[in-house]
Amino acid sequence: GAVVSQHPSWVICKSGTSVKIECRSLDFQATTMFWYRQFPKQSLMLMATSNEGSKATYEQGVEKDKFLINHASLTLSTLTVTSAHPEDSSFYICSARGLSFYEQYFGPGTRLTVT
Amino acid sequence: KQEVTQIPAALSVPEGENLVLNCSFTDSAIYNLQWFRQDPGKGLTSLLLIQSSQREQTSGRLNASLDKSSGRSTLYIAASQPGDSATYLCASRGDTDKLIFGTGTRLQVFP
Repeated sequence: GAVVSQHPSWVICKSGTSVKIECRSLDFQATTMFWYRQFPKQSLMLMATSNEGSKATYEQGVEKDKFLINHASLTLSTLTVTSAHPEDSSFYICSARGLSFYEQYFGPGTRLTVT
Repeated sequence: KQEVTQIPAALSVPEGENLVLNCSFTDSAIYNLQWFRQDPGKGLTSLLLIQSSQREQTSGRLNASLDKSSGRSTLYIAASQPGDSATYLCASRGDTDKLIFGTGTRLQVFP
């Protein structure tokens, strides 16, 4: 199956700083990428959907100015958590889908801890 | 709005047992339903994907069924092993083209 990577796998940052998470499709061109967050022992909640070259579409309740998403190429999307606060601490997972198939492939996730 | 629920929330069984995990969804107008496995602190691994026109899919010891009319899907795990211990998530895709995830079932298989 297709492979999606994320970097970093974990990050600790101080409150007020910004953190960038990368999501890459390694062996296919991802026309659509999805960003999810997951709190402990809870399910995945979709944050936003991005199509290559277009602005991301955010889910209701997700602050677009806080969670900046860039999908500038067919193999890379980035999520930047701006002015992070402890309540932003979570597990962030990206997913990618290619043009020729509808199945989504998921990255390994990034654990963000804001102190 | 689609809501996906999984029962039970947690399950602990001895090795060798056959298991059934349940997934129910409120809106039967789905394109497909997918089962995933998630190990602690890890991403998702796709197990099975059932199209809306299909009744079931099989992969090794796993069998997933889909009954759209009743809004249910089941994941059957035969001859469970300790390595099957993980959280199992189901997710439906509808006309919004988004995956809506269930609440998950945490499975522990002990030797």
